[in-house]
Amino acid sequence: GQQLNQSPQSMFIQEGEDVSMNCTSSSIFNTWLWYKQDPGEGPVLLIALYKAGELTSNGRLTAQFGITRKDSFLNISASIPSDVGIYFCAGQADSSYKLIFGSGTRLLVRP
Amino acid sequence: GAVVSQHPSRVICKSGTSVKIECRSLDFQATTMFWYRQFPKQSLMLMATSNEGSKATYEQGVEKDKFLINHASLTLSTLTVTSAHPEDSSFYICSAVATGDSYEQYFGPGTRLTVT
Repeated sequence: GQQLNQSPQSMFIQEGEDVSMNCTSSSIFNTWLWYKQDPGEGPVLLIALYKAGELTSNGRLTAQFGITRKDSFLNISASIPSDVGIYFCAGQADSSYKLIFGSGTRLLVRP
Repeated sequence: GAVVSQHPSRVICKSGTSVKIECRSLDFQATTMFWYRQFPKQSLMLMATSNEGSKATYEQGVEKDKFLINHASLTLSTLTVTSAHPEDSSFYICSAVATGDSYEQYFGPGTRLTVT
């Protein structure tokens, strides 16, 4: 089945630093989504990307839908302690709404 | 905004018993809902697609007789874990797609199931 490779697996950074994480796939996706999950809660949508090449921002977050439709990245600028959590990419390949999730990036921010 | 609730948030049950988890879309109608399972420090794994008024579609490797899904209305889907065993202990999360909306899935807060 389709799989998403997400990296890095974890990051421990200093407050104020920028963060970058990415996902790659061996197959094409029509939609890329980035979620954040706090412990014991469901994922919350951060950014949705619908077109190849699309670059979208949401506050300090910026994400891009790769031109090949097989990859996406998420950048977080000027990290703050509340950015701590697990970030997941997810791809949607067809019109069935089904999502394939990446393995997650655990972000820790040192004040 | 679109809100999805799950009940209960936590449940502990004895091995061999059945547990029902509810997923509700509170302020929108959802023709399609999804059920995911998440083990500690792992990603979300899709278990099944729940469609209102029809049978659920299960992902490969998910036992449909063990994980019963009922999507009886446009705002409610239920997942029943039958004859639960300790290895069924996990975090179960549902999501819902608003009827006629874009591709966005709205996630519930999850249900922590512990089978003793």
